[in-house]
Amino acid sequence: QQQVKQSPQSLIVQKGGIPIINCAYENTAFDYFPWYQQFPGKGPALLIAIRPDVSEKKEGRFTISFNKSAKQFSLHIMDSQPGDSATYFCAASLTGNQFYFGTGTSLTVIP
Amino acid sequence: DGGITQSPKYLFRKEGQNVTLSCEQNLNHDAMYWYRQDPGQGLRLIYYSQIVNDFQKGDIAEGYSVSREKKESFPLTVTSAQKNPTAFYLCASSIRGRFTETQYFGPGTRLLVL
Repeated sequence: QQQVKQSPQSLIVQKGGIPIINCAYENTAFDYFPWYQQFPGKGPALLIAIRPDVSEKKEGRFTISFNKSAKQFSLHIMDSQPGDSATYFCAASLTGNQFYFGTGTSLTVIP
Repeated sequence: DGGITQSPKYLFRKEGQNVTLSCEQNLNHDAMYWYRQDPGQGLRLIYYSQIVNDFQKGDIAEGYSVSREKKESFPLTVTSAQKNPTAFYLCASSIRGRFTETQYFGPGTRLLVL
């Protein structure tokens, strides 16, 4: 059973648009939700993370929205730029236990 | 310049052959991890090690083996028992091995079967 479901699989937006990537999780005990950014041929890098005690976290142009009752969280990228074109992975874990990753979203930002 | 290095960048395996992927870190991290990445799938945990001379299986350990003789090194061997080894392999490390810490990833090794 897939612990974390991510959508959409791919996304194309114009420069300045606000792409939104959604994730849903199964285990209500998960308490850590990171987002990773991966460029082609590179390893993922942590972008932003949230814990369920807050409903939103913002770092620069990146915002996580968290809905505990719906078991969903999403990544918003404000004023998207061509340099944001990458694959984005959400993940979830229970403190001290392994990450479960989503299947990834390939984002293309058109100039 | 601290970080994680993986070698080689590309690796070719013949049928029935064991191959070893290298992972080295100079971040002084206690914990190291191996993930497998397949197209359209998220990262899946193969093995992890929270301390030297100790390691645990992840979700997809069958057909793989690891060793952790030094803090900075965590090589992964893909054995002939792994019937579908073609994938992108990622090594990561974190400070203490609690999974909620930031994991730092290497650039990856792409393994192809001849």
